[in-house]
Amino acid sequence: GAVVSQHPSWVICKSGTSVKIECRSLDFQATTMFWYRQFPKQSLMLMATSNEGSKATYEQGVEKDKFLINHASLTLSTLTVTSAHPEDSSFYICSASDRGVGNIQYFGAGTRLSVL
Amino acid sequence: SQQGEEDPQALSIQEGENATMNCSYKTSINNLQWYRQNSGRGLVHLILIRSNEREKHSGRLRVTLDTSKKSSSLLITASRAADTASYFCATVTYKYIFGTGTRLKVLA
Repeated sequence: GAVVSQHPSWVICKSGTSVKIECRSLDFQATTMFWYRQFPKQSLMLMATSNEGSKATYEQGVEKDKFLINHASLTLSTLTVTSAHPEDSSFYICSASDRGVGNIQYFGAGTRLSVL
Repeated sequence: SQQGEEDPQALSIQEGENATMNCSYKTSINNLQWYRQNSGRGLVHLILIRSNEREKHSGRLRVTLDTSKKSSSLLITASRAADTASYFCATVTYKYIFGTGTRLKVLA
């Protein structure tokens, strides 16, 4: 089956620093990747959709300068949380699809970010 | 606003019993998908049902879709302790919107 690797699984950082999260599709080419944020015991909130080689499409209310998304290749997308603050602490999950929106998404294991 | 509202929010059953969870949504969809999430982990795809389908089976899973009522249900038969997880529906139009989720606990 399709595998998506997300790294790191857990990161603790100081307020004001930037954190990069990687999402890789290991055995398929991901034409579209998605980034979600999840608060405890809540649903997933879509942050942005990215297609390889083009700018990400951000959901309303998500600051594009705060959450930088790069989808430089068909197997790698990165999310950088810039100048992180405690309110950015959350569980971030990426997913990938080999056929774009509408088809099955394959999820990474998630990254738990704690900003001190 | 969230597309999918799921109920119940939490469900606790004995091993061997069936578990049913429901998802309601607000607008027309291309398809609806169900996912499972173990605590602190990513999601795993369970089943996809297209808007022109009414029922789909996969192993112990049965999904129904009623587009006139804008609702779907997921039935897990003969539940096992290992089925303990959160279950989310996701409605798909030009993007995915996840429901609020049902936390299922299966007691051994």
